[in-house]
Amino acid sequence: EAQVTQNPRYLITVTGKKLTVTCSQNMNHEYMSWYRQDPGLGLRQIYYSMNVEVTDKGDVPEGYKVSRKEKRNFPLILESPSPNQTSLYFCASSFYRDSNEQFFGPGTRLTVL
Amino acid sequence: DQQVKQNSPSLSVQEGRISILNCDYTNSMFDYFLWYKKYPAEGPTFLISISSIKDKNEDGRFTVFLNKSAKHLSLHIVPSQPGDSAVYFCAASGNSGAGSYQLTFGKGTKLSVIP
Repeated sequence: EAQVTQNPRYLITVTGKKLTVTCSQNMNHEYMSWYRQDPGLGLRQIYYSMNVEVTDKGDVPEGYKVSRKEKRNFPLILESPSPNQTSLYFCASSFYRDSNEQFFGPGTRLTVL
Repeated sequence: DQQVKQNSPSLSVQEGRISILNCDYTNSMFDYFLWYKKYPAEGPTFLISISSIKDKNEDGRFTVFLNKSAKHLSLHIVPSQPGDSAVYFCAASGNSGAGSYQLTFGKGTKLSVIP
């Protein structure tokens, strides 16, 4: 089954404790992206990757890191989480083309205390 | 500056009637426009898209209309069904200028279809 998976689905942590949210896709997509969804703000892009070892900042990259060592994986790293990073996070992937029809993972709900 | 705007946070429609969700954009360089549907506790799922060179695209009960001169698009759902109750996101795809394509999303419209 073609899918994007994220782990964990739910996470409660404390300020300053490093965490990683994993994302994996099995569709051989070149393009992968991370979004956060907040009430009243819609979906905002954090980082994206056009292919292995190629990443760039989205609209709200502060406080986040990413890496793309393999085509199928695109982990999101919060080295020192803060309460304002409490949010719902989505990973997405697509073939690299202008229509950019992205497939989304199920989401990770993160709470930073 | 919000490039993709969905000005109606919510919409209620009777089952069997037409649902019309609207979206406005400001960037004339967008190439494609997409609609996503999102149920609670799930990721957004792609619904339908339209190229900027077209003015209409239809897929079953879903039709998207694009008015480039007005920088406006709309999603029509006919007939509306209770299972259509979800949050609908409008998104636009364009070259970011750094050689990549990015999706810019609106804030979403919550559709409630009343049985």
